[in-house]
Amino acid sequence: QQQVKQSPQSLIVQKGGISIINCAYENTAFDYFPWYQQFPGKGPALLIAIRPDVSEKKEGRFTISFNKSAKQFSLHIMDSQPGDSATYFCAAGMDSSYKLIFGSGTRLLVRP
Amino acid sequence: NAGVTQTPKFQVLKTGQSMTLQCAQDMNHNSMYWYRQDPGMGLRLIYYSASEGTTDKGEVPNGYNVSRLNKREFSLRLESAAPSQTSVYFCASSETWLSSSYNSPLHFGNGTRLTVT
Repeated sequence: QQQVKQSPQSLIVQKGGISIINCAYENTAFDYFPWYQQFPGKGPALLIAIRPDVSEKKEGRFTISFNKSAKQFSLHIMDSQPGDSATYFCAAGMDSSYKLIFGSGTRLLVRP
Repeated sequence: NAGVTQTPKFQVLKTGQSMTLQCAQDMNHNSMYWYRQDPGMGLRLIYYSASEGTTDKGEVPNGYNVSRLNKREFSLRLESAAPSQTSVYFCASSETWLSSSYNSPLHFGNGTRLTVT
């Protein structure tokens, strides 16, 4: 029940295309869903986050879509750029806890 | 500001050797964490320190010990390294112990790549 399942493991997209990464969870107590972005040789950094009271959150080219009934959420990167090439981790947590459960990561490559 | 600084960046150990990974943050954060990152497994919490003077086990604490030296520094010790501890180790900090709080995201260092032969 504590797992967060992330797919795909890797993704190749052409410049200008849309990148979509999906995550699913089981624990309905989760109420915080962040995405972290990690460049090679660096630590992860918070990219965007959502709470389950909204179905979508957009920040620039990055959008989180959230489906509470299906217990799924996804990251959409519009107009993908080579500079977006990185590993992306979804995560889930509870606002009353230290615990943040990470997905297994998706390695995104955006080709020029 | 440097953020979260980890040393060393790389380390190779033989089985049975010990070492300490160092971490320091300059953001005046109360909480600090140690994660390990393994291919296909995401990030898993080893230990955390909600505030200065406290430490608690995370998901995968076996084989590790930690010390919260002061508000800025949080070290991770491997007493007798094993090949299964080959990994990339990340230290992180957050303003509060509620690491999942919307207003208190995790800030990560750049990691220590450890190989145990």
